[in-house]
Amino acid sequence: GESVGLHLPTLSVQEGDNSIINCAYSNSASDYFIWYKQESGKGPQFIIDIRSNMDKRQGQRVTVLLNKTVKHLSLQIAATQPGDSAVYFCAERGLNTDKLIFGTGTRLQVFP
Amino acid sequence: GAGVSQSPSNKVTEKGKDVELRCDPISGHTALYWYRQSLGQGLEFLIYFQGNSAPDKSGLPSDRFSAERTGGSVSTLTIQRTQQEDSAVYLCASSLKISGLGTGELFFGEGSRLTVL
Repeated sequence: GESVGLHLPTLSVQEGDNSIINCAYSNSASDYFIWYKQESGKGPQFIIDIRSNMDKRQGQRVTVLLNKTVKHLSLQIAATQPGDSAVYFCAERGLNTDKLIFGTGTRLQVFP
Repeated sequence: GAGVSQSPSNKVTEKGKDVELRCDPISGHTALYWYRQSLGQGLEFLIYFQGNSAPDKSGLPSDRFSAERTGGSVSTLTIQRTQQEDSAVYLCASSLKISGLGTGELFFGEGSRLTVL
C-alpha cells in the first residue's frame, strides 16, 4: 500500500528504548486531545486521549502529557517495539465543537 | 458491520469526471466525519455530520465538493469535475456523541484512494 508520511518529521529509536513524540496545538480553548497511530495503507487507530482538566494519562506502555501553558502535548511509548513503527498524529477538539483537527504527524521508525 | 466501511478502496478517474465515495459508519454512531490525506501530509478536515443537525462544512475546499448523509447512516462524498490536486486518500470516521462530553474516539475506515489522471 501507499506509504504515509514520506515527508513528515521522523523519530528513529532502537527497539527497547523509550520514545517521546511531541505535538504543539494551536487553540488554547481546546478541551480534548487524542493520539492516533497510522500504519502504512491503513486508517488511523486510536491510542489514548486526555481531557484538558488533566495533565497526564497512562495506558498500556503509553503515556500522554498535556501542558496547557505552552499548548504542548506529548506521547511517550515505553520499551518501543518494531510494531510501534508508524505515523503518529495528535488531534485537538475546540470548546463547544465536535470537530477534531489533526496535527501534521511524526513518523516513528524502530530499529532492531 | 463491525467497523467503518468505505468504498471504493481505490478509484482512478480522468480529470473533469465526477466521483462518489461511500462511507458506512459503525451502527449506532451518530457522528460522521470526512477527512482528506494527501501523500506525506496530515489529515485535513472536510465535513462533519452529527445526528439531524446541519453539517459543519467548513473544511470543504471548494464548491466542487459536497457530502450528504442519508437516514443518519451512510454518507456519500461527491467531487465534481475532479482535478489532479484532488488526488488523495479520503478517510471517513464515525463516533458516538455523549451528552455533556461531546464526541470521543473516532473510528476510521481504511480510506478511499483517489487518483485523478
